[in-house]
Amino acid sequence: QVQLQESGPGLVKPSETLSLTCTVSGGSMRNFYWSWIRQPPGKGLEWIGYIYYTGSTNYNPSLRSRITISKDTSKNQFSLKMNSVTAADTAVYYCATGYDAFDIWGQGTMVTVSS
Amino acid sequence: QSVLTQPPSVSGAPGQRVTISCTGSSANIGAGYNVNWYQQLPGTAPKLLIYGNSNRPSGVPDRFSGSKSGTSASLAITGLQAEDEADYYCQSYDNRLSGSKVFGGGTRLTVL
Repeated sequence: QVQLQESGPGLVKPSETLSLTCTVSGGSMRNFYWSWIRQPPGKGLEWIGYIYYTGSTNYNPSLRSRITISKDTSKNQFSLKMNSVTAADTAVYYCATGYDAFDIWGQGTMVTVSS
Repeated sequence: QSVLTQPPSVSGAPGQRVTISCTGSSANIGAGYNVNWYQQLPGTAPKLLIYGNSNRPSGVPDRFSGSKSGTSASLAITGLQAEDEADYYCQSYDNRLSGSKVFGGGTRLTVL
């Protein structure tokens, strides 16, 4: 059974770059969509984007100018980089995978944007 | 404002049946895209509850069921239990947003 684990800094300064990694265990990245989703405190879920196992990507249009999702299949990891962060980017960030649905989720990691 | 509209809250007594609606448009649910549902218990990551409009992953009780008609979808929970108290989210795609995946705003289910 595939498991996902997010990692990265819990605190990022405004205007800097948020960088997170999701490590995949119990399976390979040779299929499925690999996504990032976030949830601001007390609010709902927002899809950030995905990278397909082929390497193609699709991003939320509202975030597209600031984000990059990449993968390292040899390390069984995929990553999110979001630049020019503000307090509005404070959220729990989840990685998730599946085809049509998000079948498997990581436990999430809280990222706070503050000076 | 979410692309998919859900009621902010629903409630029901133990043993009752409740439904949660998810209303979209011809650009998402009405375009034929599947609707998926997630349950988020307090302080935990969301969990897939229903996929492909009406299918349950292994381990999800048959008290949970999903349906879709036109530009809307619904999640029904029968025989309500205290452990069902959670936030529920619908999810689909939207072809106005370059095929982006979209979520509803979420519904808080309270078991009275």
